[in-house]
Amino acid sequence: QVQLQESGPGLVKPSETLSLTCAVSGYSISSGYYWGWIRQPPGKGLEWIGSIYHSGSTYYNPSLKSRVTISVDTSKNQFSLKLSSVTAADTAVYYCARHLTTVTTEWFDPWGQGTLVTVSS
Amino acid sequence: SSELTQDPAVSVALGQTVRITCQGDSLRSYYASWYQQKPGQAPVLVIYGKNNRPSGIPDRFSGSSSGNTASLTITGAQAEDEADYYCNSRDSSGKVVFGGGTKLTVL
Repeated sequence: QVQLQESGPGLVKPSETLSLTCAVSGYSISSGYYWGWIRQPPGKGLEWIGSIYHSGSTYYNPSLKSRVTISVDTSKNQFSLKLSSVTAADTAVYYCARHLTTVTTEWFDPWGQGTLVTVSS
Repeated sequence: SSELTQDPAVSVALGQTVRITCQGDSLRSYYASWYQQKPGQAPVLVIYGKNNRPSGIPDRFSGSSSGNTASLTITGAQAEDEADYYCNSRDSSGKVVFGGGTKLTVL
């Protein structure tokens, strides 16, 4: 079955760039679907960051768009997140997930286990 | 602030039925999806689309929608259903949105 695994530094300094990668197994990204990033600050709810289609087209949460870049590497079957100029407010568990959409609905399934990124000097 | 509104907390007696709701203008046009999240774990999809359950999700979970409100119903709640539940949809601009989450306590 499809499995996703996030990886990257667990600690990032303020004003620097957060970089995470999501490795996908059990499915070839180049075969289709969107692939997304979602985050969850400690003790709070879920926030969608953005998603990328297998072809490379992206769409982002407008509130984060100026700082976010999502890219895909089909040769490695993975996609990545970069979030620039981070502050303590970006401290969160970051999840990657397959993002499925239709005309009338969308959903994320499955999800990676998540990785905690702390922004601190 | 979330464009999908959920009650922060709901409780249900063991074996009884509970409905968790999600309100938002976009739900007049789009179906919500629902996720269960237990402490320290990633969210798990339980309902998507009109009323579809992924493989492995018990049939006590069901979804419905009326007007601007989507509902997740658990018929015969079990102790293992105690968790946070989030709804998800999109707004009119296409932005993906999540509700603020509902903490379900099974008494």
